Amino acid sequence: EAQVTQNPRYLITVTGKKLTVTCSQNMNHEYMSWYRQDPGLGLRQIYYSMNVEVTDKGDVPEGYKVSRKEKRNFPLILESPSPNQTSLYFCASRMDRGVHNEQFFGPGTRLTVL
Amino acid sequence: AQSVTQPDIHITVSEGASLELRCNYSYGATPYLFWYVQSPGQGLQLLLKYFSGDTLVQGIKGFEAEFKRSQSSFNLRKPSVHWSDAAEYFCAVGSYNNNDMRFGAGTRLTVKP
Repeated sequence: EAQVTQNPRYLITVTGKKLTVTCSQNMNHEYMSWYRQDPGLGLRQIYYSMNVEVTDKGDVPEGYKVSRKEKRNFPLILESPSPNQTSLYFCASRMDRGVHNEQFFGPGTRLTVL
Repeated sequence: AQSVTQPDIHITVSEGASLELRCNYSYGATPYLFWYVQSPGQGLQLLLKYFSGDTLVQGIKGFEAEFKRSQSSFNLRKPSVHWSDAAEYFCAVGSYNNNDMRFGAGTRLTVKP
């Protein structure tokens, strides 16, 4: 089954404790991205990657890092989480950078930073 | 800069009633327009999309949307709502030359029995 998976689905942590949210897709997609969803703001892009070893900032990259060492994986790293990073996070992938390609979303990771 | 406005934060309709969710966009070039649905605890699923051609597009689950360039709108409609349609709906805009999509703030739909 074609899918985007994220782990963990739920995470409660404390300020400053480094964490990684994993994302994996099995569709051989070139383009992957991370979004955060906040009430009243919709989805905002954090980082995106057009291919292996190619990543770039989205609209709200501060406080986040990503890496793309393999095509299928695109982890999101919070080196020193803060309470304002409490949010619902989605990983997404599509065939390539073309917006006309359908974008597939993971199930989401709900992060709480105390 | 491209942007999307969904004027209604929350809409309640009775089961079997018709539905229209509003979406207005601001974009300089020819937009690519999308509607996504997010069921509770789920990721986003594409309902339909518009790139060009017929301005009335059909999607999954009985939804349709109409592109009106003069009004910069892309409203989502369904003639008869089912209880399973209760979810959050997002409108999004993108373009051929820009790899990113902009999402609206979302409209939460509640369906009354």
